[in-house]
Amino acid sequence: NAGVTQTPKFRVLKTGQSMTLLCAQDMNHEYMYWYRQDPGMGLRLIHYSVGEGTTAKGEVPDGYNVSRLKKQNFLLGLESAAPSQTSVYFCASSFWQEAFFGQGTRLTVV
Amino acid sequence: TQLLEQSPQFLSIQEGENLTVYCNSSSVFSSLQWYRQEPGEGPVLLVTVVTGGEVKKLKRLTFQFGDARKDSSLHITAAQPGDTGLYLCAGNSGGTSYGKLTFGQGTILTVHP
Repeated sequence: NAGVTQTPKFRVLKTGQSMTLLCAQDMNHEYMYWYRQDPGMGLRLIHYSVGEGTTAKGEVPDGYNVSRLKKQNFLLGLESAAPSQTSVYFCASSFWQEAFFGQGTRLTVV
Repeated sequence: TQLLEQSPQFLSIQEGENLTVYCNSSSVFSSLQWYRQEPGEGPVLLVTVVTGGEVKKLKRLTFQFGDARKDSSLHITAAQPGDTGLYLCAGNSGGTSYGKLTFGQGTILTVHP
């Protein structure tokens, strides 16, 4: 069982560059989430989706965009990376309550 | 914005001691969950509480959901070094924010042998 798979696992970007983080789940879950985790901040919700073709803003959406064109995939885009976006990014999916997480993507913006 | 406040942020105790972690909010949640996270890994679910006043036990861990469904607590009895980790509470929103899952800032627990 793959569960929730995030790619890439590590990435270094220069300020102003763009990139897309891919999240794929094979559990047929309706809900998917993108979080960022910084020291002492827990997990902060960036965007989430309650179904294919839908997205909604979380607590810290600025500087990020998302798309859910297929039920199994949730993409997180950074159009113009900034050093403040250096963080560990986690994707998660759930059927209703229990969320299953990927292994995380460590992103550094220099 | 529905905020979840966890306390304490850090907890360092000796093996065999008891501890309680609190998760509080001014908002009502349809359910509250507790997760544990190891370094380099994503969080893993420990328990979900749904009904106000509900108490669930998982071996040495006891979880309680407040009567008003705004707060929760995690109590660990006779802590062991293997309990060391980051503990996170999370709330499921209802209404217009249905499906939104919000986390507290976490409690870093260290249990010394």
